[in-house]
Amino acid sequence: EAGVTQFPSHSVIEKGQTVTLRCDPISGHDNLYWYRRVMGKEIKFLLHFVKESKQDESGMPNNRFLAERTGGTYSTLKVQPAELEDSGVYFCASSPLRGGVGANVLTFGAGSRLTVL
Amino acid sequence: AQSVTQLGSHVSVSEGALVLLRCNYSSSVPPYLFWYVQYPNQGLQLLLKYTTGATLVKGINGFEAEFKKSETSFHLTKPSAHMSDAAEYFCAVGSGSARQLTFGSGTQLTVLP
Repeated sequence: EAGVTQFPSHSVIEKGQTVTLRCDPISGHDNLYWYRRVMGKEIKFLLHFVKESKQDESGMPNNRFLAERTGGTYSTLKVQPAELEDSGVYFCASSPLRGGVGANVLTFGAGSRLTVL
Repeated sequence: AQSVTQLGSHVSVSEGALVLLRCNYSSSVPPYLFWYVQYPNQGLQLLLKYTTGATLVKGINGFEAEFKKSETSFHLTKPSAHMSDAAEYFCAVGSGSARQLTFGSGTQLTVLP
């Protein structure tokens, strides 16, 4: 089966511009997660979708970040306007709906590297 | 609240030597523990996980980890390092119905010839 696909792999933008990251989860995975790693620090949770609904968005840093998952398939994460501190690697992960977190293993994508100049 | 501490952001070992990557966690509820590995230009790949039961967990590529509740540790080991093990390793903790993971800051493993 195809894995989690993220696009673009790398994006370089200037401060104040807008960037949209896309994630295609594994087909049939209702859970979709966004994580971010900034400057070699911890990978931090951003938000969690169950199908098209936001289950938990407690990790979203501020209202410049907007995540959507129309139709419960792919998801986009838009940063508008981008700031310098938004630079980092944005990971997407997906998992099937059934099972507790112990059995519910997240499959991660390769990440989208965002550089804000 | 949960937290993960990985001791040593960079670890170097010689090929054939023991690999030991340290992970300590903090969790108010029984934890689920994971080790992920990231090879260059690839996603995070699950190495192994602990949920319940046997505290010594075996994973892929010859890695294993032991859950020690009294020490709140989940160290990753491999008896003999191979050049292909060079990568960044992440320890993570999850719990209960929460579906988010808390990651450590990662350990970059270098294998010297």
